[in-house]
Amino acid sequence: GDSVTQMEGPVTLSEEAFLTINCTYTATGYPSLFWYVQYPGEGLQLLLKATKADDKGSNKGFEATYRKETTSFHLEKGSVQVSDSAVYFCALIHRGNQFYFGTGTSLTVIP
Amino acid sequence: EAGVAQSPRYKIIEKRQSVAFWCNPISGHATLYWYQQILGQGPKLLIQFQNNGVVDDSQLPKDRFSAERLKGVDSTLKIQPAKLEDSAVYLCASSLGSGAKNIQYFGAGTRLSVL
Repeated sequence: GDSVTQMEGPVTLSEEAFLTINCTYTATGYPSLFWYVQYPGEGLQLLLKATKADDKGSNKGFEATYRKETTSFHLEKGSVQVSDSAVYFCALIHRGNQFYFGTGTSLTVIP
Repeated sequence: EAGVAQSPRYKIIEKRQSVAFWCNPISGHATLYWYQQILGQGPKLLIQFQNNGVVDDSQLPKDRFSAERLKGVDSTLKIQPAKLEDSAVYLCASSLGSGAKNIQYFGAGTRLSVL
């Protein structure tokens, strides 16, 4: 069945470091892919999405490119800030209406 | 605009007790979702409503969990009786419609601890 696998955390980076959080998926056909972010004490918020192969989603300095050949949707940011500390979830939706979420990756950015 | 409202934020109960959670979606959103998020895991869909009808409840443990959305707006999720393994955060989300083009907006969740 459909599933998402993302790198385990926690990830700790210094401010202004480069961030990569890996995400790969399993699905037949062409799912839509998402990154959600969950700040402490808050609900999940959509960070970015891509709905077809080679699409690049971007928001708040974060980017992810839908790679069909490697079934990946890795999240990147060139220079992280303390305010980026949160849990990041990769997710897909395919065919039906059900979202499949990864297990989440906790990011802590230290000054 | 107001976001998805959930209450209570926290609930502690003993096993075999009953508990109910409430969700008020964003005004005008036809689709409402309940997710269970166990610590260290991603959210898992329990049930999805389109207006007041159930679209998908395939992962809802129907022997103990129930949910309703009688007037197509607010929704309640009930667990009766609770088990230790029900300890989790219960997230409510809503969207204008269903499918990938409709962004889901999440509430802050209700954290349930079953002792």
